Amino acid sequence: DAGITQSPRHKVTETGTPVTLRCHQTENHRYMYWYRQDPGHGLRLIHYSYGVKDTDKGEVSDGYSVSRSKTEDFLLTLESATSSQTSVYFCAMSGGAGQPQHFGDGTRLSIL
Amino acid sequence: GQQLNQSPQSMFIQEGEDVSMNCTSSSIFNTWLWYKQDPGEGPVLLIALYKAGELTSNGRLTAQFGITRKDSFLNISASIPSDVGIYFCAGQEVQGAQKLVFGQGTRLTINP
Repeated sequence: DAGITQSPRHKVTETGTPVTLRCHQTENHRYMYWYRQDPGHGLRLIHYSYGVKDTDKGEVSDGYSVSRSKTEDFLLTLESATSSQTSVYFCAMSGGAGQPQHFGDGTRLSIL
Repeated sequence: GQQLNQSPQSMFIQEGEDVSMNCTSSSIFNTWLWYKQDPGEGPVLLIALYKAGELTSNGRLTAQFGITRKDSFLNISASIPSDVGIYFCAGQEVQGAQKLVFGQGTRLTINP
């Protein structure tokens, strides 16, 4: 979706290092989400935001934190990366009130 | 966490054949969504369904929202090579943060 971009698209890092992934949207949507996608588990929600500075945990939030200081940006941080956090991470946005979510193209993160 | 039961998990068909996949849930949803994911990309919305019993088409794709609001199916007619990919169903919460519950996906492979 052209209205939502993720950076970086690929990253390789070492265990114990901090990592921040960025999601940027140009649609002025209220809701933003971070998912991880792993074989056998499908897409699982990590954290979500329902407005600037308003965030909440999803089903797999341990080891992750998020921040949303502006409507357009939603950051996902791994404070101290572990090998179990190797995954493909997707960001999504929604205008709310029953509107569907639209996804970015993902970040492939490898933690060695 | 909660997950939808999506079947089949994989399909191997000949080009030109019709395809059918479905999703069931133990919970009621007010919105059902169908996404397609190509390798290296994020899920792309195909069809959104908002009313029980609703039948919606998008080109060769047709999806229905089950009367019980606990299931949905997606049909693809006259498959072509670009239909290859993984198809996901998702039920969306209407209240709160519009969170999605995903199926495990159906991987579609087409033999030319």
